[in-house]
Amino acid sequence: EAGVTQFPSHSVIEKGQTVTLRCDPISGHDNLYWYRRVMGKEIKFLLHFVKESKQDESGMPNNRFLAERTGGTYSTLKVQPAELEDSGVYFCASSRREDYGYTFGSGTRLTVV
Amino acid sequence: GENVEQHPSTLSVQEGDSAVIKCTYSDSASNYFPWYKQELGKRPQLIIDIRSNVGEKKDQRIAVTLNKTAKHFSLHITETQPEDSAVYFCAAISSGYALNFGKGTSLLVTP
Repeated sequence: EAGVTQFPSHSVIEKGQTVTLRCDPISGHDNLYWYRRVMGKEIKFLLHFVKESKQDESGMPNNRFLAERTGGTYSTLKVQPAELEDSGVYFCASSRREDYGYTFGSGTRLTVV
Repeated sequence: GENVEQHPSTLSVQEGDSAVIKCTYSDSASNYFPWYKQELGKRPQLIIDIRSNVGEKKDQRIAVTLNKTAKHFSLHITETQPEDSAVYFCAAISSGYALNFGKGTSLLVTP
């Protein structure tokens, strides 16, 4: 089966600009998660979709971050406007319903300058 | 919420030696503990996991132990090889499906 795909793999933007990250989960995986790793720190949970619904968005840092999952398929994570502290690697992961076994994507490395 | 502590942050071993990485967690309700390996520039990959009703699990050279009373769990890699070099993350789930990760251990296996 195809894995979790993230696009772009790298993005460099200026402070104040907008960036949209995309995640295509494994087909049939109802659960979709966004995580972020800031340089040298732990991977932190951002939010969890079950199909198109936000199940848990307790990890979203502030209202500059907006996640959507249209039709319960792919998901986007928009950062607007981007700040320097948003730099890091953003990971998407998916899993089947009632399954803790995640499959991670390769991540998007975001650099805000 | 859950807090996962991971030690050491870096670990260097010689090929053939064993490596042990330890994690502690704070929420006694946590019931699932996976370990992920992340090679440079690649995705975190699940290498082994354990649930709270099991004390130990082994898969070839990799084993994980769980002590629920003490709230800690450990990853053991035996007969290490250079390709084991990577960053290893422990994690725990206490409620829902969100993983709480440790800060990672950078393992270097020297030939």
